[in-house]
Amino acid sequence: DVKVTQSSRYLVKRTGEKVFLECVQDMDHENMFWYRQDPGLGLRLIYFSYDVKMKEKGDIPEGYSVSREKKERFSLILESASTNQTSMYLCAISPSPDAAYEQYFGPGTRLTVT
Amino acid sequence: GDSVTQMEGPVTLSEEAFLTINCTYTATGYPSLFWYVQYPGEGLQLLLKATKADDKGSNKGFEATYRKETTSFHLEKGSVQVSDSAVYFCARSGGSYIPTFGRGTSLIVHP
Repeated sequence: DVKVTQSSRYLVKRTGEKVFLECVQDMDHENMFWYRQDPGLGLRLIYFSYDVKMKEKGDIPEGYSVSREKKERFSLILESASTNQTSMYLCAISPSPDAAYEQYFGPGTRLTVT
Repeated sequence: GDSVTQMEGPVTLSEEAFLTINCTYTATGYPSLFWYVQYPGEGLQLLLKATKADDKGSNKGFEATYRKETTSFHLEKGSVQVSDSAVYFCARSGGSYIPTFGRGTSLIVHP
């Protein structure tokens, strides 16, 4: 079974804090993704990575950065958290550059910024 | 660009009713098509997929057929259960590494 773990299920942070969300996979897949999910908006891609130290912006990268130092680990960083970043954050992986393959998702981190 | 449109929810049904959730996609290229399900408090998981025209994906009593002529991939189930209550996402493969997701359809099944 594919296993994608996220560092926290629930997180509460204060405005202006630096926040780290971590995603770890056990499948040796190249591609890793960070999405945020908001009611009525579905999934929106923040960043993705197709290799170690490689990253590409998605649809809504503003206010976020990422780090991929090891193949199995992809971190999402909120440099200075704001209330409009309160959301569900989902990490996903896929096995190949061919997008015909499905994605495997972690359980999500529900972040609240107060 | 690529897009996926699915019916807005919530869809509310009684147990054992027939389910259809509509999904249409933009016809660029030769995409693979997917349905994902998200149970409360969890991430998305693949429900079924189809990789070419006229393929039928099926799993757990759910089915969807890849219809190129109508650019559709509607999800169906003959008899829903309370445990099917979840959010369902239609998706298509896209350029490079990035799939395109619909906005999700919430299904509520009452006993």
